[in-house]
Amino acid sequence: QVQLQESGPGLVKPSETLSLTCTVSGGSINSQYWSWMRQAPGKGLEWIGYIYYSGSTNYNPSLKSRVTLSVDTAKNQFFLKMNAMTAADTAVYFCARGGYSASDYWGQGALVTVAS
Amino acid sequence: DIQMTQSPSSLSASVGDRVTITCRASQSVIDYLHWYQQTPGKAPKLLIFAASSLQGGVPPRFSGSGSGTDFTLTINSLQPEDFGTYYCQQTHSIPLTFGQGTRLEIQ
Repeated sequence: QVQLQESGPGLVKPSETLSLTCTVSGGSINSQYWSWMRQAPGKGLEWIGYIYYSGSTNYNPSLKSRVTLSVDTAKNQFFLKMNAMTAADTAVYFCARGGYSASDYWGQGALVTVAS
Repeated sequence: DIQMTQSPSSLSASVGDRVTITCRASQSVIDYLHWYQQTPGKAPKLLIFAASSLQGGVPPRFSGSGSGTDFTLTINSLQPEDFGTYYCQQTHSIPLTFGQGTRLEIQ
């Protein structure tokens, strides 16, 4: 059974960079697409971007200038970096398996609060 | 961007009812349309992929239909555990987009 787990700081200061890690267990990161989504409190889901195990990426144009996705196949992990964080970026961040297809496995989510 | 519009935004139904949720895309997504259920504090759970294919482990009371711009999620014989918010998602075009969600309350 594939499992995903997000990890990273729960609190980020305005203007700083968020770094999140998604660790995949129970399956290989190879030959798959991996996504990041987020959900602001009480709001709907927003797609951030996806990365193929080889490193190719696709980003939401609304966030593209601030987001970088990367992958470490040796560690079975992929990563999200988002810079210039503001209060509007406060959300639960989810990692998931899937890209241009449905996302079938999701992490439990990591709440990130942007505050000084 | 492809806009996904779900209706209704919320509904209340009783155990045993048949429930239908619709999702309309602002342009054709062919069958790159998927349905998720999310309960409070949890990650979304994939129910239906490619418009009409049932994800493994999902009860057969869930079904999906449609193609192009109009899609439907149907829940037959509603069960108490079916409460939550349902989202459609298109993966035809970048940016991938979700509907605004349909909140289902069990009476």
